[in-house]
Amino acid sequence: GDSVTQMEGPVTLSEEAFLTINCTYTATGYPSLFWYVQYPGEGLQLLLKATKADDKGSNKGFEATYRKETTSFHLEKGSVQVSDSAVYFCALSTTGNQFYFGTGTSLTVIP
Amino acid sequence: GAVVSQHPSRVICKSGTSVKIECRSLDFQATTMFWYRQFPKQSLMLMATSNEGSKATYEQGVEKDKFLINHASLTLSTLTVTSAHPEDSSFYICSARGASGRRETQYFGPGTRLLVL
Repeated sequence: GDSVTQMEGPVTLSEEAFLTINCTYTATGYPSLFWYVQYPGEGLQLLLKATKADDKGSNKGFEATYRKETTSFHLEKGSVQVSDSAVYFCALSTTGNQFYFGTGTSLTVIP
Repeated sequence: GAVVSQHPSRVICKSGTSVKIECRSLDFQATTMFWYRQFPKQSLMLMATSNEGSKATYEQGVEKDKFLINHASLTLSTLTVTSAHPEDSSFYICSARGASGRRETQYFGPGTRLLVL
């Protein structure tokens, strides 16, 4: 079945450090891939998405490229800020209905 | 602004009572709504999918008699946790999918934190 495997956390970085959160997926069809962010006490917010191979999603300095050959969608940011502290979820959807989420990666950025 | 709202955002109740959680799509008509459950430090698990005017489809292991879902209109779905127990304490998140103009959209609500004492 469809699934997402995400790098386990927690991750602690200093401000302005480079961030990578790994995400790989298994899907029977041609999924769309997503990164969602959850700030403390809040629901999910879509951070970025990519709908086909080689697409790059980007938002707020975060990027992720849909790599079909490695079935990956790693999240990167060149310089993190304290305000980026949150839990990040990788997700896929093949039908546009059900989403399959990774277990989430908690990121803490310290000044 | 938020396009999917949930009410209440937090609820504390006694064991044995029933709790109703509302999910509303604000800027579009949601033909399909999804209910997820998130345990602390874990991912979201889909509980059920509901289409407007029809019965919800529950995921394996989810008790349909305990988690009653009503999708009576294109902008409102409700989840009722019947006879809640402490193990039902969790973060419940809805997601609404529908057309906004020509685009198909799907958004997540902010979640409802349920604590059963």
